[in-house]
Amino acid sequence: DAEITQSPRHKITETGRQVTLACHQTWNHNNMFWYRQDLGHGLRLIHYSYGVHDTNKGEVSDGYSVSRSNTEDLPLTLESAASSQTSVYFCASSADTSSYNEQFFGPGTRLTVL
Amino acid sequence: TQLLEQSPQFLSIQEGENLTVYCNSSSVFSSLQWYRQEPGEGPVLLVTVVTGGEVKKLKRLTFQFGDARKDSSLHITAAQPGDTGLYLCAGARRTGANNLFFGTGTRLTVIP
Repeated sequence: DAEITQSPRHKITETGRQVTLACHQTWNHNNMFWYRQDLGHGLRLIHYSYGVHDTNKGEVSDGYSVSRSNTEDLPLTLESAASSQTSVYFCASSADTSSYNEQFFGPGTRLTVL
Repeated sequence: TQLLEQSPQFLSIQEGENLTVYCNSSSVFSSLQWYRQEPGEGPVLLVTVVTGGEVKKLKRLTFQFGDARKDSSLHITAAQPGDTGLYLCAGARRTGANNLFFGTGTRLTVIP
């Protein structure tokens, strides 16, 4: 069965370190998204990609970067982790052909920056 | 400021009671979705509404899209403990748009 996975599921890091969160989907979806989830804010879009070599900034992109070298993966990098980036991160994907834009989500990565 | 505001933020009710969750915006959306999220998991789509005034039913859950396509509601009849979770609305600003704007979320607890 097709799925979307994230790793690691939990990560503790220190301020200033570079961190990369992995996202891998086997749906063969062109569209992939990264969100962060914080209490009272729902899900906020960090970056998204509509296909290989395409990346776009979302509403909270400062301090984050992504690259898309293949269809299956969209890693999220925190260049220099800050305590404000402590959050739960979700990756999602959707198909071009979905006129209803249904997004399929991974299980999330809980990141703590000390 | 979130594009979509949900109310209430928290809701705790007894099993068997009815409840309504609201999702409001000053912006127009081409479609509106509702997701449910359980602890430790990602959100899962419940329903999509695309026409102003549209009503969809999913067993005990009734979803409505406002006539002006700026708001939506989720009504649960005779809530069950299995309904416990975080409910998120999400809107697409234009037809075919791949980006969704998520609401602030409503955390529902149904007490047996």
